[in-house]
Amino acid sequence: SQKIEQNSEALNIQEGKTATLTCNYTNYSPAYLQWYRQDPGRGPVFLLLIRENEKEKRKERLKVTFDTTLKQSLFHITASQPADSATYLCALVSSYNTDKLIFGTGTRLQVFP
Amino acid sequence: DGGITQSPKYLFRKEGQNVTLSCEQNLNHDAMYWYRQDPGQGLRLIYYSQIVNDFQKGDIAEGYSVSREKKESFPLTVTSAQKNPTAFYLCASRGSSGGYNEQFFGPGTRLTVL
Repeated sequence: SQKIEQNSEALNIQEGKTATLTCNYTNYSPAYLQWYRQDPGRGPVFLLLIRENEKEKRKERLKVTFDTTLKQSLFHITASQPADSATYLCALVSSYNTDKLIFGTGTRLQVFP
Repeated sequence: DGGITQSPKYLFRKEGQNVTLSCEQNLNHDAMYWYRQDPGQGLRLIYYSQIVNDFQKGDIAEGYSVSREKKESFPLTVTSAQKNPTAFYLCASRGSSGGYNEQFFGPGTRLTVL
């Protein structure tokens, strides 16, 4: 069966450290993958997109990697801040249907001062 | 001020009643989407529309209906046939069909069935 899995347990880290979130998928042929941030009671906000032929993408303190052999994407936040505390969702677009996103369950990140 | 609006923010419904959730966008986007989010879960696609007067079922369309009579509007009706309608409903839009564009989300409507 097709699955997109993210760590269901919250990730707790200290301010200033690098947070690494994982997104694994099975039985998909992704065209590209996106990462979103969601604050409680609000809609998700787009952060980064990475295509299946790209290994790494960066934007300010954010970095995304994509390994199609391992079927995994890693999302890094360097020099994390308490304001980075939120739920982070990965979403992929299948090469068979590029009209819709398929979301993972999300990982909650808590950054402590 | 461009964006997506959803109304109402909170909605209470008695069992057996139909209810319609509003979604409006002024981003001039072609594609629009409705998702449902339950506690501790990701977003699940209910319906989506790539163009006016056309829409497709998502993964959990049963008990829901939509219309797309105008480009800027994509209302969702939760019918009495939906067995467990209490959830957080999110509407989104995207700039071009089949492109790499990200989705823009509204603030959501929290529906509670009493």
